[in-house]
This record gives sequence, structure tokens and C-alpha cells, in this order.
Amino acid sequence: DIVMTQSPDSLAVSLGERATINCKSSQRVLHSSNNKDYVAWYQQKPGQPPKLLIYWASTRESGVPNRFSGSGSGTDFTLTISSLQAEDVAVYYCHQYFSSPYTFGQGTKLEIK
Amino acid sequence: QVQLVESGGGVVQPGRSLRLSCKTSGFDFSIYGMHWVRQAPGKGLEWVAYISYDAIYKDSADSVKGRFTISRDNPENTLYLQMNNLRTEDTAVYYCTKKGASVTTGGSIDSWGQGTLVTVSS
Repeated sequence: DIVMTQSPDSLAVSLGERATINCKSSQRVLHSSNNKDYVAWYQQKPGQPPKLLIYWASTRESGVPNRFSGSGSGTDFTLTISSLQAEDVAVYYCHQYFSSPYTFGQGTKLEIK
Repeated sequence: QVQLVESGGGVVQPGRSLRLSCKTSGFDFSIYGMHWVRQAPGKGLEWVAYISYDAIYKDSADSVKGRFTISRDNPENTLYLQMNNLRTEDTAVYYCTKKGASVTTGGSIDSWGQGTLVTVSS
């Protein structure tokens, strides 16, 4: 099984500052057919289901604010929020959909400092 | 827009069965793969099972293999999860989710229902 390990477990950032969440996969998740890393990022606010932010490690989902960006390749991936807004308080999960079982990171709780 | 509405959750004793349903609308259900994902209270996300658009391919997590069965009714636009021999550790919110098309969302899970809570307790 591919293990997805996020860091940190929790993060407090001031409004307007940058937030960075890391995710490390235990194996490569690169699909040779299209040279894409099969990593997605989700945002989950309290009492709500997760929402897709990023797929293919760096492609922003339609309608997601451009302050959210994904990067990385190989086994190391990053979600960056360039300028934290109050509405970004949430738990963030990385997810590999490269191979079954389709595993998630343990989550990173993002709060306002 | 895409709507996924789960039902069938509730309180059940260990060893008993429950069937979850997910009624979908707003997209062509018959051409998309679907997943079930669960979240224990206060915990993270756990993938449970997947079914291809035509129900030919099915897969499930080791933790539920042999106990849970995923199925679908394409004419009724409905996804199911039959859960047998339930255990206390199956207590969770169960989300019905849609696998996106490669050309739109890279084959990732791109839509989630609100979830239905299953509580396994004596």
C-alpha cells in the first residue's frame, strides 16, 4: 500500500501570510501513460464533506481561488496557500489515486494565528 | 450540478447488516466510476470501495473485504454499499463520491455527498 504522510499535523498562520503543507508518498505515483502524478488535495471545513482543490499534483480545480497551488513530483508534494484568508481555516488532505488502495494523508489542520 | 445524496445510515449492533444508498443526479451516472469513502468521528478519510462505470471492475479496502459489497443500478442512477458483519470500528460517516473524468479532473474524486452516519454499537 502507498502511505501518504503529511506534515505538519497542524499549522497556525497569520492572515495574509503563506501556508505550506507537505505530503510524502511511500512510492512514486507517476503514471507513465501521461507523465502525471496522481495526487489530489482536498479541503474539509467543519461539518462539511471534502472539496477537491488540486488534482494531478498541480492542476487547480475549476473555481478554486488562485491563492491555492500544488507542486511537487516523485514522492514529495506541497499545497501552498499564498495569502491566507479567514475562510481557509480547514483540514487539508492529500490523496493518491494512482493505485488501490487509494490512500489519504492523515490531514493537516490549518488555523489562524 | 452534481448531487449525491446518501441514505441508509443509522445505529446497528455488531454483527448485523446495513445497506447504504446514494441517489445521484446532475450528471450521466452510467459513465462514471464511483467510490465510497468513510470518516470515523474526529478522524481522517479512509477509502472503502470502488466500482467502475459498468460494474465490471470492483475493488475494496482490506479492512472491509469479504464483508462489504459495492454495487450500482445505472438506470436508477443509484450507488449502493451492502455492509455485513458490521464491527464497532466501522462506525463512521460514509461518503458517496464520484470519480472524475481524466480530461476534466484527472480521474480524481471530484464530487462528494454530505455523508450518512453509521454507528455500530451494542
